[in-house]
Amino acid sequence: EAQVTQNPRYLITVTGKKLTVTCSQNMNHEYMSWYRQDPGLGLRQIYYSMNVEVTDKGDVPEGYKVSRKEKRNFPLILESPSPNQTSLYFCASRLSGGNTEAFFGQGTRLTVV
Amino acid sequence: GDSVTQMEGPVTLSEEAFLTINCTYTATGYPSLFWYVQYPGEGLQLLLKATKADDKGSNKGFEATYRKETTSFHLEKGSVQVSDSAVYFCALKGGGNTPLVFGKGTRLSVIA
Repeated sequence: EAQVTQNPRYLITVTGKKLTVTCSQNMNHEYMSWYRQDPGLGLRQIYYSMNVEVTDKGDVPEGYKVSRKEKRNFPLILESPSPNQTSLYFCASRLSGGNTEAFFGQGTRLTVV
Repeated sequence: GDSVTQMEGPVTLSEEAFLTINCTYTATGYPSLFWYVQYPGEGLQLLLKATKADDKGSNKGFEATYRKETTSFHLEKGSVQVSDSAVYFCALKGGGNTPLVFGKGTRLSVIA
């Protein structure tokens, strides 16, 4: 089954404790991205990757890192989480190109206390 | 830059009512337009899309027509069901590897 898998689904952590949210896709998609979803703000792109070893900032990259060492995986790293990073996070992947469908993971709800 | 504006929610309808969720966009060139749906506790999934002017996307009884002259892509359904309760996102994508740009989402609640 074609899917994007994120882990964990839920995470509560403390300020400053490094964490990683994993994302994996099995569709051989070149393009992967991370979004955060906040009430009243919709989805905002954090980082994206057009292929292995190619990453770039989205609209709200501050406080986040990513890596793309393999085509299927695109982890999101919070080196020193802060409460304003409490949010619902989604990973997405798609083929490169103009009008291809994006496939989304089920989301990771992160709370930073 | 490119942007999407969709009507604020929440929208509450009775079962079998007619649904319209307005969406307008600003973009250079000729973007592709999408509606995504997010059911409770799940990620987004594509509902329908249109890639050029006057195209109509349709799926599960929902329809939207790409109107270049009014830069709009309004979502409609003739008779909603309780199972349609979800958050609906309008989105656009320009050419090449430009990102998907989303509206803020409209929450729909359908009551029996």
